[in-house]
Amino acid sequence: EAQVTQNPRYLITVTGKKLTVTCSQNMNHEYMSWYRQDPGLGLRQIYYSMNVEVTDKGDVPEGYKVSRKEKRNFPLILESPSPNQTSLYFCASSSARRDTEAFFGQGTRLTVV
Amino acid sequence: LAKTTQPISMDSYEGQEVNITCSHNNIATNDYITWYQQFPSQGPRFIIQGYKTKVTNEVASLFIPADRKSSTLSLPRVSLSDTAVYYCLVGDEEGNTPLVFGKGTRLSVIA
Repeated sequence: EAQVTQNPRYLITVTGKKLTVTCSQNMNHEYMSWYRQDPGLGLRQIYYSMNVEVTDKGDVPEGYKVSRKEKRNFPLILESPSPNQTSLYFCASSSARRDTEAFFGQGTRLTVV
Repeated sequence: LAKTTQPISMDSYEGQEVNITCSHNNIATNDYITWYQQFPSQGPRFIIQGYKTKVTNEVASLFIPADRKSSTLSLPRVSLSDTAVYYCLVGDEEGNTPLVFGKGTRLSVIA
């Protein structure tokens, strides 16, 4: 079954404590990306990756890091989380071709206190 | 990267046909038009995609005029379960552009 798996689904952490949200896909997709969703602001792209070892900033990259060492994994790293990073996060993957659909993970609800 | 513009929200009664129009004046020759649906606290899911004219599947229809500067997602006979946010995206087939979602259109279906 085609899947994008994010972990954890829910996370409460304290300011400054480094955390990683994992994202894995089983479709051999080249393209992966991370989004955050906040009320009234829609889905904003944090980082994206066109392929292994290729990453680019999206619209809101500040405070986040990513890596793409393997095709299937695209972790999102918050080195020093702050309360303004409290949000709902989604990982997505798709074939490089845009005439195919993108698949999304179940979401990670992060609260930074 | 072609920018898209959609209405922020729409209301409809159950059983009616709903048309959501997306404007993409700067669409490029190789760009496809794709629509996604998102329910609260879930990731978006693909609804339909097209390049020109009309595309229909079991969920919706997509109408694209000849100049391709806009597109209309048509949902026939909506039900309460169609209440969601709908996003219009434009991107080229080679995937040279990132998948950028805007704020979408929040559709509320009323009984």
